[in-house]
Amino acid sequence: QVQLVQSGTEVKAPGASVRLSCKASGYTFTNYLIHWMRQAPGQRLEWMGWINSANGNTKYSQKFQDRVTITRDTSASTAYMELSSLIAEDTAVYYCARDPPNLQVPGTGWFGPWGQGTLVTVSS
Amino acid sequence: DIVMTQSPESLAVSLGERATINCKSSQSVLFSSNNKNYIAWYQHKPGQPPKLLIYWASTREAGVPDRFSGSGSVTDFSLTISSLQAEDVAVYYCQQYYVRPPTFGPGTKVEIK
Repeated sequence: QVQLVQSGTEVKAPGASVRLSCKASGYTFTNYLIHWMRQAPGQRLEWMGWINSANGNTKYSQKFQDRVTITRDTSASTAYMELSSLIAEDTAVYYCARDPPNLQVPGTGWFGPWGQGTLVTVSS
Repeated sequence: DIVMTQSPESLAVSLGERATINCKSSQSVLFSSNNKNYIAWYQHKPGQPPKLLIYWASTREAGVPDRFSGSGSVTDFSLTISSLQAEDVAVYYCQQYYVRPPTFGPGTKVEIK
């Protein structure tokens, strides 16, 4: 079955960077976009960006444009999200999610399935 | 960005009773050329990732029980659980994918009365 398994909990100091991974299985990795989202405590889910797993093209939310980099390793069926210049407000659970099947235009729909989430805590 | 609002913030319903969650978008999410509403609904339980329930405002994802249904058009949408089960306790989110960035509602917490 389709699965996205994310890397473990991270604790980072303000100003540092964090790199999270999302390993896909159960489908052909290069056939679907991978999205990254986050949910800070008490806040709503926020979309951060996506990567085209086939060609590496990316699209980022304007909010995170200057600080986020999404990459992928096709040989490992894994997508990565790096967020730099961390501040306390970046403390959140970060999720990866796959594009659903049969979207007419990739990257323009709903999300599913999702990884289990990675807690990132930014604290001095 | 399109702002999504939900009501109520929380809802307590007796087992077997109906639960209805409302979602409103700050602008129309109905695409006239295909007559589709660009709304999805998710169920989110603690410690688990969100689970897709509904897309195109009313199309149930495969495997989702038919007690879950979505309705609405243009800017006003609803998710209805026709007969609440204990396993339905969760936070429910709506999401628009009409324009980028996709945006989510603040969530509605459903509990057992």
